[in-house]
Amino acid sequence: EVQLVQSGAEVKKPGESLKISCKGSGYIFTSYWIGWVRQMPGKGLEWMGIIYPGDSDTRYSPSFQGQVTISADKSVNTAYLQWRSLKASDTAMYYCARTSGSGIHHPFDIWGQGTMVTVSS
Amino acid sequence: QSALTQPPSASGSPGQSVTISCTGTSSDVGVYNYVSWYQQHPGKAPKVMIYEVSKRPSGVPDRFSGSKSGNTASLTVSGLQAEDEADYYCSSYAGSKNLVFGTGTKVTVL
Repeated sequence: EVQLVQSGAEVKKPGESLKISCKGSGYIFTSYWIGWVRQMPGKGLEWMGIIYPGDSDTRYSPSFQGQVTISADKSVNTAYLQWRSLKASDTAMYYCARTSGSGIHHPFDIWGQGTMVTVSS
Repeated sequence: QSALTQPPSASGSPGQSVTISCTGTSSDVGVYNYVSWYQQHPGKAPKVMIYEVSKRPSGVPDRFSGSKSGNTASLTVSGLQAEDEADYYCSSYAGSKNLVFGTGTKVTVL
């Protein structure tokens, strides 16, 4: 079964760092793009960025450039999203999702279950 | 890039049709035929319903259809059913390996 399994919910304080993960299985991890999508409470989907684990080619939405870092470790079929210094406004559900083909324009056909990140003092 | 514009809400009675618009620009929707539509039920991850403007993934009912004219894409749900009540988001490739989502539309089945 093709699936993406994300790490569990996190509760952090402002200023702390965080790295969440998204592990792929059931397919060739290095052949599909993995994107990250933010959904703030009660709000819509926002595309944050995307990575191709095969060569670590990474693109960021202008809105998230410099705010987060997307990476991947193909030896463990896992993509990551990390923050150096969290803010309360980073409180959101974060989804990873896989494109249906090797091109970035393909739709996201497989989604992780989401990781809820809560940032509060 | 700015989010694609969708109406906040749409509704219809069971059996009726509802159409949701998704307005972008000549840099995204208007120039690429890579528009997708996602359905999201409360507390669940999104699910792709339409890709490349009008193609349906395997398993998606043919009640769902997509189209595009100029800078605006549309999703039509025909023969509305209770289970179609959800949030719907469009997305488009925007060039230079960028993607953009729509603002989202809540569909209510009356």
